[in-house]
Amino acid sequence: DADVTQTPRNRITKTGKRIMLECSQTKGHDRMYWYRQDPGLGLRLIYYSFDVKDINKGEISDGYSVSRQAQAKFSLSLESAIPNQTALYFCATSDRASTDTQYFGPGTRLTVL
Amino acid sequence: AQSVTQLDSQVPVFEEAPVELRCNYSSSVSVYLFWYVQYPNQGLQLLLKYLSGSTLVESINGFEAEFNKSQTSFHLRKPSVHISDTAEYFCAVSEPSSNTGKLIFGQGTTLQVKP
Repeated sequence: DADVTQTPRNRITKTGKRIMLECSQTKGHDRMYWYRQDPGLGLRLIYYSFDVKDINKGEISDGYSVSRQAQAKFSLSLESAIPNQTALYFCATSDRASTDTQYFGPGTRLTVL
Repeated sequence: AQSVTQLDSQVPVFEEAPVELRCNYSSSVSVYLFWYVQYPNQGLQLLLKYLSGSTLVESINGFEAEFNKSQTSFHLRKPSVHISDTAEYFCAVSEPSSNTGKLIFGQGTTLQVKP
């Protein structure tokens, strides 16, 4: 089984809808991250969390919110989706002692119409 | 502030030819450097990383990268590519002194290996 899983893998939604992307990990890592990938822009950090009570904004957090329900679960929400949030979203994890090495989930392809 | 620049968005190359994917970074403090690979319709996988010590690091599938502090570069090389190396490659940097674990990624380079 994969160490970092994301659900759903694909999602099409309409402008204005609320949507949640979920991430779970079995690696036992304390740190979790959400990125979005856009062609030609690489990966950009949306939010990151060091533990359940420690959540931090990344470089592009506007329009997004997150919830760390447990050490193993980190959800990303779009409260009111807009078309320019169409992208590939990745969750990643790392361990405080793992020299910043991050391990990625398979991604969620989100399309906002 | 940290930044990473991958100088080529696409690199076409014939099978069995050598390849170099270029990466430059900017940072005022010590860094860790990473190369990740993304195969079609998959997530990112760690290819190799530089933490400290020897400036030349290698992966299990024949890639290598050399940390050059004076030129702030971490170029990725392979002497002979295979069709299966076709993928997108991302260079990333972190600043361990920040204790955030945050990675800053470059824009990505698509390696297209032709038969």
